[in-house]
Amino acid sequence: AQKITQTQPGMFVQEKEAVTLDCTYDTSDPSYGLFWYKQPSSGEMIFLIYQGSYDQQNATEGRYSLNFQKARKSANLVISASQLGDSAMYFCAMREISGNTPLVFGKGTRLSVIA
Amino acid sequence: NAGVTQTPKFQVLKTGQSMTLQCAQDMNHNSMYWYRQDPGMGLRLIYYSASEGTTDKGEVPNGYNVSRLNKREFSLRLESAAPSQTSVYFCASRLQGAGRDTQYFGPGTRLTVL
Repeated sequence: AQKITQTQPGMFVQEKEAVTLDCTYDTSDPSYGLFWYKQPSSGEMIFLIYQGSYDQQNATEGRYSLNFQKARKSANLVISASQLGDSAMYFCAMREISGNTPLVFGKGTRLSVIA
Repeated sequence: NAGVTQTPKFQVLKTGQSMTLQCAQDMNHNSMYWYRQDPGMGLRLIYYSASEGTTDKGEVPNGYNVSRLNKREFSLRLESAAPSQTSVYFCASRLQGAGRDTQYFGPGTRLTVL
């Protein structure tokens, strides 16, 4: 069964610094997708970035990049040049493509950006 | 383009009351999902519908029923609400194809059961 683990309940980062949010996963399916979502205090879930298991390069979307280490089964989110508006909950999620299974989420990491 | 819409945004029920949470998407997506979010638990899947006319149980289906009314709409029903169902409920739909896979979420419904 697929499983997502986020070991950092909370993180602090100085404005303009980079921060890495950890995510490890477990699956026996060779074909899967990894996702990161942001949830600000307003409550909506905002899609940030997607990485497919067969993608050769790490995914990037603006200031977000996904550090994909397949052998370690890790999919860490890197936010560069942190901004105050980045303060939010961040969720890592995974879907097994072969089984067309729904997204399974980790428990999240709360990021606080300090001025 | 409204994306995924949910109604109501807030609801207070008494134990034993019933209600239906409505969800609609205008993106022509095949798959739709209902999640609940509780503090410290992340999002847990209640039910999903891979395509019009099909529904499947997720991780926490007990106490809920769903209806995929058509391709656009996917409703979640609580037949007899319990305090344990106090939560924030999210509906989502999925875009898949051409190397992309994205799940879009509605704004959520905050439900309190007294």
